[in-house]
Amino acid sequence: DAGVIQSPRHEVTEMGQEVTLRCKPISGHNSLFWYRQTMMRGLELLIYFNNNVPIDDSGMPEDRFSAKMPNASFSTLKIQPSEPRDSAVYFCASSSGTSSYNEQFFGPGTRLTVL
Amino acid sequence: AQSVAQPEDQVNVAEGNPLTVKCTYSVSGNPYLFWYVQYPNRGLQFLLKYITGDNLVKGSYGFEAEFNKSQTSFHLKKPSALVSDSALYFCAVRESNNDMRFGAGTRLTVKP
Repeated sequence: DAGVIQSPRHEVTEMGQEVTLRCKPISGHNSLFWYRQTMMRGLELLIYFNNNVPIDDSGMPEDRFSAKMPNASFSTLKIQPSEPRDSAVYFCASSSGTSSYNEQFFGPGTRLTVL
Repeated sequence: AQSVAQPEDQVNVAEGNPLTVKCTYSVSGNPYLFWYVQYPNRGLQFLLKYITGDNLVKGSYGFEAEFNKSQTSFHLKKPSALVSDSALYFCAVRESNNDMRFGAGTRLTVKP
């Protein structure tokens, strides 16, 4: 299995531009999570999906952030418009089933730099 | 709401010595506890978890952790550290139907 796949691995953009991050979870996994990691705030959960349905998006910082999961094998996290304070590493993770005790498998992350 | 604390930002040990990375948690019900490791420029990797049963949990790469309900702790341990164990370690807790909360992380450095 290729694991969780994220693209792009690095993204450099200018303030005000739209950014789309992509994630392909492990085949057969029912839950998908988007996290943001910064030195100041550590690892923060932004949103998670169970069976393609958003369950909790309380971690999404602002309306500029949106996430979709149109099918079981693909999810996107969009920032529009982007701001310098959005610079961070964004991780996608997936887990099998929807139970709270299932471990999550993380992708390699997308390092976003907003100039 | 559940929370987890890692009281040490940094832990330094010599190769071959035992290591401990500390974690304490706070939940209102029964906790599910996890340890993850992050190597530079990589995503987090699952090490081990406690769900129920035996308080001593064994995981990947020779790591183990002990669940202590009275002290609300879940410390990560390894009998003999390797230089390659140097990484960032995260403790996490999850209650039923709630999201997973990660600690701030502890940077482990193992010196030759």
